[in-house]
Amino acid sequence: DAGVIQSPRHEVTEMGQEVTLRCKPISGHNSLFWYRQTMMRGLELLIYFNNNVPIDDSGMPEDRFSAKMPNASFSTLKIQPSEPRDSAVYFCASSFGARFGELFFGEGSRLTVL
Amino acid sequence: AQRVTQPEKLLSVFKGAPVELKCNYSYSGSPELFWYVQYSRQRLQLLLRHISRESIKGFTADLNKGETSFHLKKPFAQEEDSAMYYCALLNYGGATNKLIFGTGTLLAVQP
Repeated sequence: DAGVIQSPRHEVTEMGQEVTLRCKPISGHNSLFWYRQTMMRGLELLIYFNNNVPIDDSGMPEDRFSAKMPNASFSTLKIQPSEPRDSAVYFCASSFGARFGELFFGEGSRLTVL
Repeated sequence: AQRVTQPEKLLSVFKGAPVELKCNYSYSGSPELFWYVQYSRQRLQLLLRHISRESIKGFTADLNKGETSFHLKKPFAQEEDSAMYYCALLNYGGATNKLIFGTGTLLAVQP
């Protein structure tokens, strides 16, 4: 298995543009997580899904952020409109059963909003 | 509130010196704690979990409930240990179990 796959690896966009980040979890994993990493705040959980259903989105910064998981093998995180303060590395992770704390992370998507 | 604190953003040591990466937590129940590591150009990955009581790559971490700490230790640092280390707490919230990370400590092992 190639592990969790994220795309794009790097994205540079201008303020106000829509950004879509994509994630393919490990086959068979039933939980998917979106984290944001910044120097100041470290790793912040944005949202997580269990069996394709959003369970906790309390970490989503504001209405500009949305996430979907239409099926067990694909998820998107969308920012519309993007702002410079959204610049960060966005990680997707998956696990089999969130209870156990062992997450498998993707390589991340580095977003720069100018 | 559930929280993980890593007070040091950067820890620099010389090769062969002991290493201690500090982690303190705030949790109302019985905590379940982890250390994750991110080497340069690699994915963030699990290093160890306290319930396993294991030693991975020479690292150990002991849960001290009295001091609410879970410090990561290694007696003799190696250059290949240079990485970003995150302490994490599994927050049980019924249907919303989730992993809460600290802000991370960058370990730099000098030759």
